[in-house]
Amino acid sequence: SQTIHQWPATLVQPVGSPLSLECTVEGTSNPNLYWYRQAAGRGLQLLFYSVGIGQISSEVPQNLSASRPQDRQFILSSKKLLLSDSGFYLCASDRGVTTRTQETQYFGPGTRLLVL
Amino acid sequence: GENVEQHPSTLSVQEGDSAVIKCTYSDSASNYFPWYKQELGKRPQLIIDIRSNVGEKKDQRIAVTLNKTAKHFSLHITETQPEDSAVYFCAASIGEIGGGADGLTFGKGTHLIIQP
Repeated sequence: SQTIHQWPATLVQPVGSPLSLECTVEGTSNPNLYWYRQAAGRGLQLLFYSVGIGQISSEVPQNLSASRPQDRQFILSSKKLLLSDSGFYLCASDRGVTTRTQETQYFGPGTRLLVL
Repeated sequence: GENVEQHPSTLSVQEGDSAVIKCTYSDSASNYFPWYKQELGKRPQLIIDIRSNVGEKKDQRIAVTLNKTAKHFSLHITETQPEDSAVYFCAASIGEIGGGADGLTFGKGTHLIIQP
């Protein structure tokens, strides 16, 4: 079974500072990878997804970006953080098998970001 | 795109009673419907899922039903226990050919409170 790692677990950053959150996956090859954001007491918003190295799709316009430099590595970045970027960032993975149906997604432990 | 509505936003039930959470979806092409449980400060955990070729699925005290005609699906928890207290999210996915990397569209969540 796959294991998803995220770091850091918690981050406090000033407004205008850069951001880099990392997600790595073990136990599977060529997974689909996802970044979600969860604001306090709210649902899950899909930010980016990737079907392979260097392939990134964005779901919402924002000051965040994502990159996938390796098969099992997914990075979320920002050049200048906003107050509204605060939230719980979750990386998720599924097997990425070419089928007609969505595979089960599993979530990493998350990074709690507070922008002050 | 897909839109998922989830009700109620908060549900309080007596320990031992049943709880039902309902979701509707907009895209008739959706074919995969997972349910996640999220305890405070933790990652969402998959508890049960159902695909569109099945009308009902059960796992011990948890069951999910799907009505494709009406485009709604429900989570049923019987004999509720204090450890069932959490936020529950439903989701839907179209899962197109090519790995299904459209991601999941989540409902806004239901805060389930089990009263002792």
